This record gives sequence, C-alpha cells and structure tokens, in this order.
Amino acid sequence: GAVVSQHPSRVICKSGTSVKIECRSLDFQATTMFWYRQFPKQSLMLMATSNEGSKATYEQGVEKDKFLINHASLTLSTLTVTSAHPEDSSFYICSASGQSTTDTQYFGPGTRLTVL
Amino acid sequence: QKEVEQDPGPLSVPEGAIVSLNCTYSNSAFQYFMWYRQYSRKGPELLMYTYSSGNKEDGRFTAQVDKSSKYISLFIRDSQPSDSATYLCAMSEPGGYQKVTFGTGTKLQVIP
Repeated sequence: GAVVSQHPSRVICKSGTSVKIECRSLDFQATTMFWYRQFPKQSLMLMATSNEGSKATYEQGVEKDKFLINHASLTLSTLTVTSAHPEDSSFYICSASGQSTTDTQYFGPGTRLTVL
Repeated sequence: QKEVEQDPGPLSVPEGAIVSLNCTYSNSAFQYFMWYRQYSRKGPELLMYTYSSGNKEDGRFTAQVDKSSKYISLFIRDSQPSDSATYLCAMSEPGGYQKVTFGTGTKLQVIP
C-alpha cells in the first residue's frame, strides 16, 4: 500500500514554456500533498503544501505565480512550472499524506526537469 | 545552525558490516522520526517510522531515538551491496500537516 506515482518521470523543455507534473496517490486518499525540490547532493527542499480543495501554502522564497499547484481531488495534485528557465532545472518530488494525523509522507519517484 | 544535522559521508563499508547512521537535531518539539532510503534519481522510500524515544526493529534495520540527547540513529546489520544508497533522516512536530524537516542525507556504499 501507500503508493504514489508521478508523471512524467523526465521532461526536457525549452526556456519560456510551461511544464505540468502530476502526482497521484494510487491506493489511499491523500488529504495533504507536498512538493519538494532536490538539487544534486542536497536534501529535499519543501516548496509548498496543498490540501484538497484549498489553496496551496508556499514556503518562503518560492514564487507562487511561477509554481502553480492544484490539488483538485484526494488522489491528484499537479505542479505547473510556468515560463520555465534553465535555473528551474531540478528534481521535483511530491509526497502524500493520508487522513490520520499520525500518517507519514509517502513519496513519488520524482520528475527530472531539464530546461534548455 | 541547521535544525537537523547529518554527516553527508560518503560512508564505505565492506559487505556484512554493521552500519551506523546518525542525525542530531535542535528542535525539542520533534516527536516523529523517520528514516528514508533514496537510490540515485529516485524518490525517497520510507524505511523506519518511530514516535518519541525508544528503539524499533524491522528485519536488518534498527532505529533508535534519544530525545534527551536530540540524537537518532539507524543501524543496518549484515549490510548488502543493495543497501548502497543515500539515507535521509527526517522528523516532524505533531500536527495535521506533518511538515517534515529532512537531514541532508548520508551516502552509503557497501562494497562486495
């Protein structure tokens, strides 16, 4: 149980374009989903927290207009990187947490974004 | 000072060795402690999850939490080459959103 998928696993795009990444909880209802960014040899940096049906809460320094997050259902959250630039190239990982307050987070496999 | 400190390694051990991975933290409000394993270019995989102080064992893995010292450990017995990965400690305060603070990860290499 507790499987989280991400799509796509890898994406290459041109500078200025927008990219959408999907995160799905396959076998449980995720009341909360998290989006992280990871640079090489560094730990995960939380970008934002989203709850189903409400606006995402962004961490300090993360541009909400650039990283659009939608959590439309209990099994799906999307991250859209708008007007992507080479510095947005990174490994983006989502995680999902269930309805119990003691639930931990289960991570997706990550999406490697390369902006040319 | 970071909230969670973890030696980045790399740590190289021979196959069959006992591995000890550690983290220290400064936030006394942390109550939930996790260890994740992350293979290269993959998402983290939850290994161990403990609440408050004490020990928890699962197969070859043992997690220890010492809240008085703000110190947590993960022990791996009979290490295998397949254990080669980056191990991330993580911790969180009680609360519905479970905001987790991660260590930087320790890269482990088990040599056959």
